[in-house]
Amino acid sequence: SQTIHQWPATLVQPVGSPLSLECTVEGTSNPNLYWYRQAAGRGLQLLFYSVGIGQISSEVPQNLSASRPQDRQFILSSKKLLLSDSGFYLCAWDPYGGGNEKLFFGSGTQLSVL
Amino acid sequence: KQEVTQIPAALSVPEGENLVLNCSFTDSAIYNLQWFRQDPGKGLTSLLLIQSSQREQTSGRLNASLDKSSGRSTLYIAASQPGDSATYLCAVPSNSGYALNFGKGTSLLVTP
Repeated sequence: SQTIHQWPATLVQPVGSPLSLECTVEGTSNPNLYWYRQAAGRGLQLLFYSVGIGQISSEVPQNLSASRPQDRQFILSSKKLLLSDSGFYLCAWDPYGGGNEKLFFGSGTQLSVL
Repeated sequence: KQEVTQIPAALSVPEGENLVLNCSFTDSAIYNLQWFRQDPGKGLTSLLLIQSSQREQTSGRLNASLDKSSGRSTLYIAASQPGDSATYLCAVPSNSGYALNFGKGTSLLVTP
């Protein structure tokens, strides 16, 4: 069966510090991978998606970047965190993409930038 | 841009009641709609996926319906239990096809 791992569960970082969140998927190959952010009162927003190794698409301009160095690994990064980067970050995958299949989420990372 | 609205924002019911959660969307040209459950501080779990050619999907005590022409979906929960307490979100694909546009959710509390 397929599983998705996301870590860390919580993170407190000072403004201006770097960020690296990692997500890995097991039990499937060539998944589509996503990073969403859930901010209080604003709902879920898609940040990045990837349909293959090295292929990253950004949905919104921001202070963050994403990389996919391996088929089942998706990394969210920042060189210098802003206060506005605080939120709940969720990694997700689906088998075929195009939004036509169920989307499976990781357990999330609660990021607090102070 | 596709807008997704969920009403009510919060709902509290006694155990055993049947209840309906509502979801509306502005662009009826969707090819599916998903309902998710989110427990506090956790990720989302997909409950039901309704394709545009379907009118409803059922899983256990959950039944979701889809009316594309009116831009509405409902999630019906039968014989609610305290374990059903969570936030329920609906989502439809964006025009780009990869992003999902989510509603802000309905926070459900089922009291014993």
